[in-house]
Amino acid sequence: EPEVTQTPSHQVTQMGQEVILRCVPISNHLYFYWYRQILGQKVEFLVSFYNNEISEKSEIFDDQFSVERPDGSNFTLKIRSTKLEDSAMYFCASLFIETGKGGYTFGSGTRLTVV
Amino acid sequence: DQQVKQNSPSLSVQEGRISILNCDYTNSMFDYFLWYKKYPAEGPTFLISISSIKDKNEDGRFTVFLNKSAKHLSLHIVPSQPGDSAVYFCAASVRTGANSKLTFGKGITLSVRP
Repeated sequence: EPEVTQTPSHQVTQMGQEVILRCVPISNHLYFYWYRQILGQKVEFLVSFYNNEISEKSEIFDDQFSVERPDGSNFTLKIRSTKLEDSAMYFCASLFIETGKGGYTFGSGTRLTVV
Repeated sequence: DQQVKQNSPSLSVQEGRISILNCDYTNSMFDYFLWYKKYPAEGPTFLISISSIKDKNEDGRFTVFLNKSAKHLSLHIVPSQPGDSAVYFCAASVRTGANSKLTFGKGITLSVRP
């Protein structure tokens, strides 16, 4: 069964450093998303991406965040200057098309720890 | 801003019995609801969904019920199996076509005792 692949599985970074989280969505999917889950809290929407541009972003997704689909297969989330409160599980998800059935396919996540 | 609420943090049931997981929402614009299951160190896995035009959707051991007037949905698992032990998330969206961001609840930890 097709999978959404995320790398690395765990990233530790110093506060103020830039991090790039990588995702390879399912190849024929058209819509791409990033969500995050801070420990003990709910999964939160960050950003959606379609047709090579951001479709929607949440309040969390401020100027420190950016997304890119550089080569038609990878989908990356960049945090320019990490803060302690950015520590969370970051999930990438992809969706083929709105069909009214089924949900997104999520990756296994990247655990980001900012120290 | 808790638009999707899962008020019970945990549920424990005996193998073979029914598990009922509840979810409430406040945003009347939500018109599509999903349940996800999550194991540790894995991403959420889609289980079952329901559109607001229905009040029930069934898929094998899993049934989701939607009560729009009460803004309440529930997931029934019957019979429950030990492998069902996981965190279950309720999620909702406003179907606007190309983009349907999901709003999640905090999750319920289900433990199925052998």
